[in-house]
Amino acid sequence: EPEVTQTPSHQVTQMGQEVILRCVPISNHLYFYWYRQILGQKVEFLVSFYNNEISEKSEIFDDQFSVERPDGSNFTLKIRSTKLEDSAMYFCASRVGLATWETQYFGPGTRLLVL
Amino acid sequence: DQQVKQNSPSLSVQEGRISILNCDYTNSMFDYFLWYKKYPAEGPTFLISISSIKDKNEDGRFTVFLNKSAKHLSLHIVPSQPGDSAVYFCAASANRETSGSRLTFGEGTQLTVNP
Repeated sequence: EPEVTQTPSHQVTQMGQEVILRCVPISNHLYFYWYRQILGQKVEFLVSFYNNEISEKSEIFDDQFSVERPDGSNFTLKIRSTKLEDSAMYFCASRVGLATWETQYFGPGTRLLVL
Repeated sequence: DQQVKQNSPSLSVQEGRISILNCDYTNSMFDYFLWYKKYPAEGPTFLISISSIKDKNEDGRFTVFLNKSAKHLSLHIVPSQPGDSAVYFCAASANRETSGSRLTFGEGTQLTVNP
């Protein structure tokens, strides 16, 4: 069964450093998402992406964050200058199309620790 | 963000009995609801969903009920099995003219099924 994959599974970085989290969505999916879950908190929406542009972003997704689909398969989340509060589990998700009733499928996550 | 709320952080049931997980929402624009299951160190796994035009959806041992007037949904698992032990997240989305349809998650309920 096709699945969303994410690399790395764990990332430790120093505050102020840039990190890039990578995701390979399911191959025929057109909509891509990033969510995060800070330890002990809810899963929170960050950004959605379609047709090579951001379609929606949350208030969390400020200028320090960017997303890109550099080729036909990868979808990346970049954090330019990490802060301690960026420590979280980051999940990528993808969906086939636009209809609301289409399910989002999640990857296993990248655990980011900012020291 | 209190738009989706799961008031029970944990639930413990005996194997073979029914598990009932509850979720409340406040945003009347939500029109699609999903349940995800999550094991530690893994991403959320889609379980079952329901559109706002229905009040019940069944898939094997899992049934989701939606009460729109009460803004309440529940997930029933019958019979419960030890392998069902996980965190269960309720999520909701709203149909928008623009693409995106972010998911808004509840806090999660830790289900433990005792043999």
